[in-house]
Amino acid sequence: GAGVSQSPSNKVTEKGKDVELRCDPISGHTALYWYRQRLGQGLEFLIYFQGNSAPDKSGLPSDRFSAERTGESVSTLTIQRTQQEDSAVYLCASSSRTGNSPLHFGNGTRLTVT
Amino acid sequence: AQSVTQLGSHVSVSEGALVLLRCNYSSSVPPYLFWYVQYPNQGLQLLLKYTSAATLVKGINGFEAEFKKSETSFHLTKPSAHMSDAAEYFCAVSEQGGSEKLVFGKGTKLTVNP
Repeated sequence: GAGVSQSPSNKVTEKGKDVELRCDPISGHTALYWYRQRLGQGLEFLIYFQGNSAPDKSGLPSDRFSAERTGESVSTLTIQRTQQEDSAVYLCASSSRTGNSPLHFGNGTRLTVT
Repeated sequence: AQSVTQLGSHVSVSEGALVLLRCNYSSSVPPYLFWYVQYPNQGLQLLLKYTSAATLVKGINGFEAEFKKSETSFHLTKPSAHMSDAAEYFCAVSEQGGSEKLVFGKGTKLTVNP
């Protein structure tokens, strides 16, 4: 596709359930990033991938959060045993290379935990 | 580790007035610096970036930013605000030759009054 695609666009789940958020980056982009944006807050770094490996997982808030990337393409962010504080917009971005290349953002997945 | 501070979570200007959005960064190595903009109900998009060439960087829609190493600042300016500039603006930093992580500030919401 022409841009970064995220699915679903909206997800409502009950506390304690697991959720999977998907990101399809721009074809050929080697770097992929996940951010979280809580209501009224800035962008909180979660994790980034260079190819299929994740050199920096320092932003993952807890061991309930995990992410993987396969084929240097699609990435999945999984949140286990969701909590209400996990409610946020989860943004994915990709770039052709890291460093000074601009990020191209998807429209995000709005997660609501009830 | 790099970090970004944006002074003022909300800035309000009159149409035609100067826009000044402040950003200070911290980085142990020379930085790459970015401004991203998020218009209402849209994804983030790159406004401009500094990559150690010219210290004065021009971006889209008449915005520019000046890198001042001595002040560790990268403030965003526009001589004359337009109603369409109303949006949230995010400053971001990554490290040249270091971590590829892009760290964002908390954002500044710009309101333009008629």
